[in-house]
Amino acid sequence: AQSVTQLDSQVPVFEEAPVELRCNYSSSVSVYLFWYVQYPNQGLQLLLKYLSGSTLVKGINGFEAEFNKSQTSFHLRKPSVHISDTAEYFCAVSPLQKLVFGTGTRLLVSP
Amino acid sequence: DTAVSQTPKYLVTQMGNDKSIKCEQNLGHDTMYWYKQDSKKFLKIMFSYNNKELIINETVPNRFSPKSPDKAHLNLHINSLELGDSAVYFCASSQDWTGELFFGEGSRLTVL
Repeated sequence: AQSVTQLDSQVPVFEEAPVELRCNYSSSVSVYLFWYVQYPNQGLQLLLKYLSGSTLVKGINGFEAEFNKSQTSFHLRKPSVHISDTAEYFCAVSPLQKLVFGTGTRLLVSP
Repeated sequence: DTAVSQTPKYLVTQMGNDKSIKCEQNLGHDTMYWYKQDSKKFLKIMFSYNNKELIINETVPNRFSPKSPDKAHLNLHINSLELGDSAVYFCASSQDWTGELFFGEGSRLTVL
């Protein structure tokens, strides 16, 4: 079965600093990989996805992620965060037409 | 114009009651989903419908019954509510399987 591990439940960072949110997955077959963001009291929104091709994927709001097959990782990065990036971030893997989510990482950006 | 809308946003009810949550999408998508998010923010798929046909049922208790009258609507009815049903329920839709789901804002269910 496929699964996703997000090692950090919370990542505090100062505004304009870089950030990396970690995601590792396990799967015996090829999968698609995703990052979703959830702002307070809202539904989830797709940040970016890896289906195939280039391992560096660029998404919305200046985020990017790199697919690393040998390390089974799909870490999310942003070179300079804003206060408005404060949210919950979910990594997900999709086997068989459904999304399996990680437990989420809360990004807390302070001035 | 909201793409995926759920009603109600909040539900507070007693154990043993029956409740329904409605979901509508105006994106023209063929597939709709229900996800449950627990108090620790963990998200798990419950059901998936493609063009009114059930395609995923993730070992959800029989007390939960989804209904899709047409491909733009997917409702969730819950019988005999239990304390453990307290959660935020998200409806979502997608056009194809590239993993881009469009989520509603969620319906927070509290069972007392």
